[in-house]
Amino acid sequence: SQQGEEDPQALSIQEGENATMNCSYKTSINNLQWYRQNSGRGLVHLILIRSNEREKHSGRLRVTLDTSKKSSSLLITASRAADTASYFCAASAGGTSYGKLTFGQGTILTVHP
Amino acid sequence: GAVVSQHPSRVICKSGTSVKIECRSLDFQATTMFWYRQFPKQSLMLMATSNEGSKATYEQGVEKDKFLINHASLTLSTLTVTSAHPEDSSFYICSAPKTSYEQYFGPGTRLTVT
Repeated sequence: SQQGEEDPQALSIQEGENATMNCSYKTSINNLQWYRQNSGRGLVHLILIRSNEREKHSGRLRVTLDTSKKSSSLLITASRAADTASYFCAASAGGTSYGKLTFGQGTILTVHP
Repeated sequence: GAVVSQHPSRVICKSGTSVKIECRSLDFQATTMFWYRQFPKQSLMLMATSNEGSKATYEQGVEKDKFLINHASLTLSTLTVTSAHPEDSSFYICSAPKTSYEQYFGPGTRLTVT
C-alpha cells in the first residue's frame, strides 16, 4: 500500500503554542483517522473524520478534511509537554477493506515546557 | 472501548529461530485482523490481512513463507516469524476492526533478533 505524506516530519514548539500537522493521501477514502504514539509504545486513537465531514473537534484537537485535495490537518491547541509524541494519520478506504489502514509517515512533535 | 492484546510484548531470539506473536480481541469477535510492522523512527506498514477460516492476504513484498499467519478463531490471530534474522527486528502491531468505523490496536510486540 502506498503511504501518504505528512508534514512537517518534525515540529518543535513551546508549551501553550498551537501545533498543526498536515497529511495527504493518495486514494479515495471512507474515513481518515489520527493516532498518537509515544516512543516505543502502542497507538492511541485520537479522532476519526468521515469522508463526508469537513471538520471535527475533540477537546483540544481539531481535524479538517479536504477530499478534493486529498489532505487533512490536525491542530492541537494550547499544547502541553505531555503532547510530545509521534502523530500519524491513517486512511481507510472502507467497503470490503474496512479496518485496513494506510498510514502517513508521521510527525514527531516535541513540546518544550 | 474494546481491547486487543498481544503476547509477548517483548521477545529476544537468536538468528535462525522462529517466534510466534499472538493477537487477541478480548471482548469482541473479529473475522479479520491486520498485522503491521514498524521500524525505528518510521511509520506503520501493513504486512498482511488475517482472515478467519481462510488464507491470509499479504501485501506486496511481504514473504508469506517467512511470516506465517494463522487466524485460528474469531478472537485469535498469530504471526510466526520463521527463521528470524536481525533485519526482522522490528515492532509488530496487530489491529482488529470491531465495526466499519472502529478498530483497535494491540500494544505491540518488540522483536529483537540477535
